[in-house]
Amino acid sequence: QSALTQPASVSGSPGQSITISCTGTSSDIGAYNHVSWYQQNPGRAPKLMIYDVTNRPSGVSTRFSGSKSGNTASLTISGLQAEDEADYYCSSYTFGLSPAIFGGGTRLTVL
Amino acid sequence: EVQLVESGGGLVQPGGSLRLSCAASGFTFSIYWMDWVRQAPGKGPEWVANIKGDGSERYYLDSVKGRFTISRDNAQNSLYLQMNNLRAEDTAVYYCARDLSMEQFDYWGQGTLVYVSS
Repeated sequence: QSALTQPASVSGSPGQSITISCTGTSSDIGAYNHVSWYQQNPGRAPKLMIYDVTNRPSGVSTRFSGSKSGNTASLTISGLQAEDEADYYCSSYTFGLSPAIFGGGTRLTVL
Repeated sequence: EVQLVESGGGLVQPGGSLRLSCAASGFTFSIYWMDWVRQAPGKGPEWVANIKGDGSERYYLDSVKGRFTISRDNAQNSLYLQMNNLRAEDTAVYYCARDLSMEQFDYWGQGTLVYVSS
């Protein structure tokens, strides 16, 4: 099992929207609607931002949204704010060597 | 408030052992699958092991099978990871995490660093 593929970095200005892609295979993202996204600040634990492709946990801003098409999932952050600057990881349920597979992470920079 | 607090990490020589603990509070521990997820420096997270709420099912990453053992004590609201025959590639921050559903983790501990080096 290879890690899910994410761009190493994305950037945007305050108020803009950005999208982070996460590409997997027909054995993970393409097979299950159990894609999640995590935000991680330096030295901190990951925080769940999206689960089951599109759902937001209580307390997560509506500026965060998720989607999926085929083997690729996406996280969109609208109305970028300075506090959104962090690393973002995608994850998918999978049937294989391990039940969860993660992406390599995307560093979001707010210009 | 849900809290997960790990302990037990540290510096260990290759071939050595460590036992990680995770103290849970603020939720009904016994009904949740619980997982250990690790993150090597500068890398993405990696799932390590999980255990069903009643302890009847346990699963492991291939590379840790036979070396790591996950367990839980529901009376003490605690999760454990016994790690034996540690290797340099096991160096990472180890997190305990609550499984919301289908390996999606809604609460994480603060992590404990395991550093395997001679």
